Amino acid sequence: DVKVTQSSRYLVKRTGEKVFLECVQDMDHENMFWYRQDPGLGLRLIYFSYDVKMKEKGDIPEGYSVSREKKERFSLILESASTNQTSMYLCAITGTGNTIYFGEGSWLTVV
Amino acid sequence: GENVEQHPSTLSVQEGDSAVIKCTYSDSASNYFPWYKQELGKGPQLIIDIRSNVGEKKDQRIAVTLNKTAKHFSLHITETQPEDSAVYFCAASPIGSGTYKYIFGTGTRLKVLA
Repeated sequence: DVKVTQSSRYLVKRTGEKVFLECVQDMDHENMFWYRQDPGLGLRLIYFSYDVKMKEKGDIPEGYSVSREKKERFSLILESASTNQTSMYLCAITGTGNTIYFGEGSWLTVV
Repeated sequence: GENVEQHPSTLSVQEGDSAVIKCTYSDSASNYFPWYKQELGKGPQLIIDIRSNVGEKKDQRIAVTLNKTAKHFSLHITETQPEDSAVYFCAASPIGSGTYKYIFGTGTRLKVLA
């Protein structure tokens, strides 16, 4: 079974704080993704990475950055959290046949 | 731009009845169409997928049909049970074209009434 682990499930942060969301996969896959999920808007791609130290912007990268120093770990960074970044964040990887698999999600509330 | 429209946004059915969710895509290069089930507080889980060289695929009580000409695909759940209650997402992707792009529908909240 493909395993995508998001270590922080529920976070509450203050406006202006720096936030790190971590994602770890155990399947040695190259491609990792960060999505944001909001009611009525579905899943929107923030950033993805197809290899160590490689990253590409998705549809809504503003206000976010990412880090991929090791193949199994992909981090999403909010340099200065704002209330409009309150959302559910989903990490994903592509497995065999480019099928996409998601983690359990990280619920972030910015107050 | 490319998009995937999903209908209905909410669906209520009686236990034992069938449920059908439909998606329409715009990118003619799309050739892979997965469906995901998302239970409350959890991430989406892949439940079934179909590739463009196949018109229909079935796995026990769930099936997916694809009409490439009309650019739409549907999820069919038969003999629904309360544990089928969840949000279902469709997606379309042009895999194999050098892109990792997935376009997701906005989701359907299915309620199975006991």
